[in-house]
Amino acid sequence: AQSVAQPEDQVNVAEGNPLTVKCTYSVSGNPYLFWYVQYPNRGLQFLLKYITGDNLVKGSYGFEAEFNKSQTSFHLKKPSALVSDSALYFCAVRDKAAGNKLTFGGGTRVLVKP
Amino acid sequence: GAVVSQHPSRVICKSGTSVKIECRSLDFQATTMFWYRQFPKQSLMLMATSNEGSKATYEQGVEKDKFLINHASLTLSTLTVTSAHPEDSSFYICSAGAGVNTDTQYFGPGTRLTVL
Repeated sequence: AQSVAQPEDQVNVAEGNPLTVKCTYSVSGNPYLFWYVQYPNRGLQFLLKYITGDNLVKGSYGFEAEFNKSQTSFHLKKPSALVSDSALYFCAVRDKAAGNKLTFGGGTRVLVKP
Repeated sequence: GAVVSQHPSRVICKSGTSVKIECRSLDFQATTMFWYRQFPKQSLMLMATSNEGSKATYEQGVEKDKFLINHASLTLSTLTVTSAHPEDSSFYICSAGAGVNTDTQYFGPGTRLTVL
């Protein structure tokens, strides 16, 4: 079975400061890893993914994430947060050997204060 | 590219009625679509996987006869909540992917269902 953990329910950061949203995963095989962002009453917007290759993945809106196999982590990062980055962030995993079903973490609410 | 739409965006209905929600992939063909349910301040829970031209695969605990899914074409899947009750009130989100093992799902904007 595959699972995802986002240990922080909420992350508060001042505008201009670095932002990190943590994610760890568990799969039996090789993982596909994703980050999505959700604004209020909206669907999920795709930010970035790791499939294979470079461990550092760059995505939309200046976000990046680093795949760390030994720590089974895929933390989302942004060097300088904006107030408009305030939203709900979801990490998701798919086991390559288990079809295309995504498992989501519980979500982390990011609040960027001006 | 990779735009998914849902209709309606919100619906209010009386208890006992049925509600149909449409999910469309606008600029790509989706062999597989997924239906999720999201409760306030919670994560997405997969309800079912919809495969074009075949029966949907439901997750454990999801009633097949209550949540009817039809994926009649490569660009359209529908979810019908039959005999809706207040506890069915939720945010329903669909996603779509192309190919057998698509590596990315693209999500619709969601449908807010309120059952009175």
